Amino acid sequence: EDQVTQSPEALRLQEGESSSLNCSYTVSGLRGLFWYRQDPGKGPEFLFTLYSAGEEKEKERLKATLTKKESFLHITAPKPEDSATYLCAVQASGGGADGLTFGKGTHLIIQP
Amino acid sequence: GAVVSQHPSRVICKSGTSVKIECRSLDFQATTMFWYRQFPKKSLMLMATSNEGSKATYEQGVEKDKFLINHASLTLSTLTVTSAHPEDSSFYICSARGGTGQGRSDTQYFGPGTRLTVL
Repeated sequence: EDQVTQSPEALRLQEGESSSLNCSYTVSGLRGLFWYRQDPGKGPEFLFTLYSAGEEKEKERLKATLTKKESFLHITAPKPEDSATYLCAVQASGGGADGLTFGKGTHLIIQP
Repeated sequence: GAVVSQHPSRVICKSGTSVKIECRSLDFQATTMFWYRQFPKKSLMLMATSNEGSKATYEQGVEKDKFLINHASLTLSTLTVTSAHPEDSSFYICSARGGTGQGRSDTQYFGPGTRLTVL
């Protein structure tokens, strides 16, 4: 069974204080690992897709990396508007299943 | 680009009634659409996968007679919660994957969600 574990569950940072969020996964075969941002009462907003170990993607203050067992979302000099829940999800290769398996998310709060 | 809408955003109904939720891909054709359910402070749980013109595939434990899914076109999928009960109260979110048009064909783009409250 595919599993995704995110840590920490919650993280409070000062504005400008860089940190990393972790996503550990077990999957029979990885087709893709996805990062989304979710604001309260809204649907997830797509951030990145990573396909293979060693791959990195960047967007503004966010950088996602991938190894064979985990992914990190690095946040550099965050701003209050970066406050949200960050979700990690995996899509397994093979078989008929096409949906994503999500972690519970990391609730990030950036204090001014 | 890659915009997905849902309607309604919020619905309150009485126990025993049926509720229909619409999911539309606005600027791309979605060959596959997905329905998820999210409880407070929990992760999204996949309910079913639907491909245009074919029957939906339901995840284990999801009652297909209770959660009716129709994917009538490449831009529209509907979820009908039949004979809703208070335990069906949840946040329902659809996603769509293209296709042609905006967005990446390997990525699921999510709608804004529908908050269902059954009294």
